[in-house]
Amino acid sequence: EADIYQTPRYLVIGTGKKITLECSQTMGHDKMYWYQQDPGMELHLIHYSYGVNSTEKGDLSSESTVSRIRTEHFPLTLESARPSHTSQYLCASSALHGTSGFSPLHFGNGTRLTVT
Amino acid sequence: QKEVEQNSGPLSVPEGAIASLNCTYSDRGSQSFFWYRQYSGKSPELIMSIYSNGDKEDGRFTAQLNKASQYVSLLIRDSQPSDSATYLCAVNMFRGATNKLIFGTGTLLAVQP
Repeated sequence: EADIYQTPRYLVIGTGKKITLECSQTMGHDKMYWYQQDPGMELHLIHYSYGVNSTEKGDLSSESTVSRIRTEHFPLTLESARPSHTSQYLCASSALHGTSGFSPLHFGNGTRLTVT
Repeated sequence: QKEVEQNSGPLSVPEGAIASLNCTYSDRGSQSFFWYRQYSGKSPELIMSIYSNGDKEDGRFTAQLNKASQYVSLLIRDSQPSDSATYLCAVNMFRGATNKLIFGTGTLLAVQP
């Protein structure tokens, strides 16, 4: 079972507030990812990191930022939350190399964010 | 054309039947293929990985890969109502120098009791 943790599980916050969504993994994975997913819709990659001090933007433009100061920790920050940021945010991690090919992603339980 | 294509469904099958989920992909160089199950409101859960042509079986699940035809499928035998979920196909693809995992939009499976 994958050991990747996201907090908080649910967050309701007012417009303009700064928020940080936490993601930690205990598997020593080099790769970490943030996805955004609206109910019933597809996954959108918004940020990824292939190691400490390495972060890249994903396929979907996002006003959020990320940092990777430690291998196990990949927090996502919104400086000023807006109702358009309301969504589910999923963190995932994977090993740098798999034994047979690309290593699969393991997902955390997600943070459901509501901005009022 | 999307890089990873799945029929969005819903695919409705009776309890006990075989559910067949299909996925096609655009990159002939792809080598790694995954099936995830996602229950409503939950995060995706890895159920199968396949890297070589042919079939790979794990309990009631069988993944089938045909690289020449660029498709990968998932068969669920003896379908149960608890199998009702969205099934996501994921395929690795190189974009420039970066090897990424690309997800399809998912197929919604509904198993009728």
